[in-house]
Amino acid sequence: DVKVTQSSRYLVKRTGEKVFLECVQDMDHENMFWYRQDPGLGLRLIYFSYDVKMKEKGDIPEGYSVSREKKERFSLILESASTNQTSMYLCASMGARDGYTFGSGTRLTVV
Amino acid sequence: GQNIDQPTEMTATEGAIVQINCTYQTSGFNGLFWYQQHAGEAPTFLSYNVLDGLEEKGRFSSFLSRSKGYSYLLLKELQMKDSASYLCAVRDGDTDKLIFGTGTRLQVFP
Repeated sequence: DVKVTQSSRYLVKRTGEKVFLECVQDMDHENMFWYRQDPGLGLRLIYFSYDVKMKEKGDIPEGYSVSREKKERFSLILESASTNQTSMYLCASMGARDGYTFGSGTRLTVV
Repeated sequence: GQNIDQPTEMTATEGAIVQINCTYQTSGFNGLFWYQQHAGEAPTFLSYNVLDGLEEKGRFSSFLSRSKGYSYLLLKELQMKDSASYLCAVRDGDTDKLIFGTGTRLQVFP
């Protein structure tokens, strides 16, 4: 089974803090994605990556950056956390036929 | 533009059949996925259609009509554990990323 592991299930951070969300997959997939999910808005793509050191902006990249130094790891960075970034963050790795495999999600609260 | 529509909420009775519809308008198309998501958990893969027709997998089936931009997920012999949100997603033909609808919350009652 493909495993996508997100480092934290729940996080509480203060406004202005720099926040790192880590995601690791073990299936040698090239494509990885970061989404946030909010009630009524569904999943919105923040950033994605097709290869090491490669990144592409999604639909809502503002306030975020990413890092892909190794194939298995895709990190999402909130440079200066704000309350409107309180959300569920989902990392996904893409296979061919099965679409995405998601991590268990990180529920981030910014206070 | 990209647009995926599905009903916001549906209710059904245990043992019944329910059909969740999804219509899409996207600039490219390389397959349609259905995911199930229980509250507080990550989405899990249910089905994938890339050609027209019906794909059956146990109690769940998914149908696709590319010419109509339409899909449905059919759930038979509903069980209480089927209460969840069901997400329709289209794979973009150029970028391979998935574009999601906002999801349909299904409640199954005894």
